[in-house]
Amino acid sequence: NAGVTQTPKFQVLKTGQSMTLQCAQDMNHEYMSWYRQDPGMGLRLIHYSVGAGITDQGEVPNGYNVSRSTTEDFPLRLLSAAPSQTSVYFCASSYRDLGSGNTIYFGEGSWLTVV
Amino acid sequence: AQKITQTQPGMFVQEKEAVTLDCTYDTSDPSYGLFWYKQPSSGEMIFLIYQGSYDQQNATEGRYSLNFQKARKSANLVISASQLGDSAMYFCAMREGQYKLSFGAGTTVTVRA
Repeated sequence: NAGVTQTPKFQVLKTGQSMTLQCAQDMNHEYMSWYRQDPGMGLRLIHYSVGAGITDQGEVPNGYNVSRSTTEDFPLRLLSAAPSQTSVYFCASSYRDLGSGNTIYFGEGSWLTVV
Repeated sequence: AQKITQTQPGMFVQEKEAVTLDCTYDTSDPSYGLFWYKQPSSGEMIFLIYQGSYDQQNATEGRYSLNFQKARKSANLVISASQLGDSAMYFCAMREGQYKLSFGAGTTVTVRA
C-alpha cells in the first residue's frame, strides 16, 4: 500500500517556468488537498478536491491550478513560477472529508526552489 | 486573523520529563476539530492526536494527551516521559467545516539526554 505519493521530491525552477507537482493515492480517497509550508508559518491550504471533477480554493490559491480527473490523482500546476513560490509542498488525502477526526494521510513533501 | 496560535517557537525538555505545548484557536463554528502533528527533521507529517469540539473527554493516545479547555479555546498537547525521538516540530491544526485545515506556526521541541 503506497499511501500518498508525491513527485518530484526536489525541483529547481527558473522564474517564469511552469511545472506540475504530481500527487497520487491508492486508498480510494475522495478528499485530496495541497498545502505549502513556509518557515515560521506552518502549512497553508492551496486547493482541495472532494471528488473527481470537484475542486475548490484554499487559503493561498493564487499562482496555482488544480484539476481532478480521476479519484487517484490530484496534480498541482504552477503556471509561471515566482520566487515567492519557493516552499515545501504537501499533498494530503482522506477517505471522504476531515470530519470526526478522519485520518489525513500526508505525502512526504516536495521541495521546490524558484530562482 | 490568525486562527491557530502557538506561542512557543522552541522548547527544551529533559529526557523522561513531561512537556506541554500550547495551542489556542479562534473560531465561531460550534463544530470543529483540533489535531496535533509531529514533523521530524526528515519532513513527514505524523498524526498524533485528535479532539472534536463535542467530545466530552480529553483525547489520549499513548504518551500524548490533549488538554482541551473549550471555554478558553485552548488545546494544549502534553507529551509524557519524553524520549530523544520526540525531538521534532509540533503543529496544532484546526478543522474548519469539513474540508479545511488551518495550522499554527509550530513549536520546535528538543529533548536533552
